[in-house]
Amino acid sequence: GQNIDQPTEMTATEGAIVQINCTYQTSGFNGLFWYQQHAGEAPTFLSYNVLDGLEEKGRFSSFLSRSKGYSYLLLKELQMKDSASYLCAVRTGFQKLVFGTGTRLLVSP
Amino acid sequence: EADIYQTPRYLVIGTGKKITLECSQTMGHDKMYWYQQDPGMELHLIHYSYGVNSTEKGDLSSESTVSRIRTEHFPLTLESARPSHTSQYLCASSDSNRALQYFGPGTRLTVT
Repeated sequence: GQNIDQPTEMTATEGAIVQINCTYQTSGFNGLFWYQQHAGEAPTFLSYNVLDGLEEKGRFSSFLSRSKGYSYLLLKELQMKDSASYLCAVRTGFQKLVFGTGTRLLVSP
Repeated sequence: EADIYQTPRYLVIGTGKKITLECSQTMGHDKMYWYQQDPGMELHLIHYSYGVNSTEKGDLSSESTVSRIRTEHFPLTLESARPSHTSQYLCASSDSNRALQYFGPGTRLTVT
């Protein structure tokens, strides 16, 4: 079976740093994606990890440990527009993705 | 910039009607996907295609059908809509390298 776990909701204040965790148990692993999804909109790509370690892209960083089945997304210098759901997705096979339920992040002033 | 389009964006129809949700992409991607997402829930893959004349059912059982006659076009059809089909339907396409999927804006379907 496929199991991807993320916290349901997180809150943080503007300017702070927040870490969103994702643990997975899947039948295959060929990479992990993070997507951002604003309410009522389509998911947009944030980051991709296929090897262990940290990938940094501006205010966003993503980390992967394949041996632990664990990833996190780190958001720095939070802005109000970062309020959204953050989806962890594992590429399990030939270009198929399995998505977690997403973490709803609320950024307050 | 991803160019993937879905129409209609919103649709309210009565039970028993036949509907087709349109999805088109101009990126030349071979792979295309349909997902179903209920509010606050995860995306579930219901259909995918790896190229023209290739279609497969996804992980979530669905009463819908799809076709792939042209690379850029991947419509989804419900022969007889029911209230249980009320959901958001998201279309996506991917490149061949990282399997990065680009999503369309979605169709929010309500069946009354």
